[in-house]
Parts: sequence; structure tokens; C-alpha cells
Amino acid sequence: EAQVTQNPRYLITVTGKKLTVTCSQNMNHEYMSWYRQDPGLGLRQIYYSMNVEVTDKGDVPEGYKVSRKEKRNFPLILESPSPNQTSLYFCASSSIRRNYGYTFGSGTRLTVV
Amino acid sequence: AQTVTQSQPEMSVQEAETVTLSCTYDTSESDYYLFWYKQPPSRQMILVIRQEAYKQQNATENRFSVNFQKAAKSFSLKISDSQLGDAAMYFCASLRGSQGNLIFGKGTKLSVKP
Repeated sequence: EAQVTQNPRYLITVTGKKLTVTCSQNMNHEYMSWYRQDPGLGLRQIYYSMNVEVTDKGDVPEGYKVSRKEKRNFPLILESPSPNQTSLYFCASSSIRRNYGYTFGSGTRLTVV
Repeated sequence: AQTVTQSQPEMSVQEAETVTLSCTYDTSESDYYLFWYKQPPSRQMILVIRQEAYKQQNATENRFSVNFQKAAKSFSLKISDSQLGDAAMYFCASLRGSQGNLIFGKGTKLSVKP
């Protein structure tokens, strides 16, 4: 089954404790992206990657890092999480021509206390 | 810059009735794509329908159809014969060209009354 797999589904952590949210896709997609979803704000893009070793900032990149060492994986790293990063996070992937939309993972609910 | 505006934070519809969700967008591109995504309580993002800007014909997927008014930069979603399973958050999104990034509106929460 073609899918984007995110882990974990839920995560509660404390301020300042480094964490990684994993994302993997099995569709051989070149393009991958991270979004955060907050009430009343919709989905906002954090980072995206056009291919291996190619990453770029989205609209809200502060406080996040990403890496793309393999085509299938695109982890999101929060090196020093803060409460304002409490959010619902989505990973998405697509072929390089994105005109058919993205395939999304099932989301990670992150709470930073 | 691209923007997508959904002016209805919440909508309600009676089961079996028809409801229309509004979306306007702003882009200077001539080549772009528009999408509606559904997010049920399971929070999975599900693609409902897509529209290619260069196509005049409105896209249709079963009970879901769009009213694409290019000059007015409007892209509304019509849901016919509403079902309880249609209750969800609906997001409108635009893509600049075929290699831009997907930009989302803030969403409309749809409730379906039995």
C-alpha cells in the first residue's frame, strides 16, 4: 500500500529535550514536506525537500531542522522544543510534479510542557 | 505571494441537503492548481478534488463538485446529498505551477445534522 508513515502518533515532551519525528514514504517520491497545523491557522509549511540532500525553508522554519539523506526518509528535528511548538505535525510527499497534490501521513500530535 | 482565504470558519448542513464551502485565492501565475482536502476526526488529510486552472470545466467527483470562477479567483466546493460521514474540516489549497508548494487556507469545519 502506498503510504507516508509518521512516528510517533502522539508525543509529550518537556521544554528543551531534543526530539525527532520520523517520516518515511514508499512511493519513490522526490518531494517531501513538513507542515504544522494550528487551530485557526490552517496548515503552514515548515521545510521541504526536492530530493536527496536538497532541503529548503518553508513559511515557519524557526526552531526546526530537517535532513534528507535517503530518498524515502525525511525526519523533523526539534533540538530544543518550546511550548509554542505544541502542534499537530504532518509529513507529506509527492512526485516532483506536484500537480496531483500530496500524500499525507497520519499526523503527530506534539505537546511540549 | 500566494494566499488562500476561507471566509467560513464553520458551516452546518442537514443530512441529504446541499452545502457550498467558499474559497478565494490570490496568485499572479497563469499556471496553477487548486485542491480541496478533507480532514475527518481521524485527522487524516484526504484529497477530495482537484482543478487545473487552464481547464474551464468544473471538476466533479461523485457528490463533490467545484465552482471554479477564474476571473473572480474563486474555488467553492459543493457537497450534494450530504452524509454524516462528510462531517470534517475542509481545507482549500493552491499550488503555483506544477512545482510550487501547496498553500492552505485556514479551513472550514462542516457539521452534518441528522
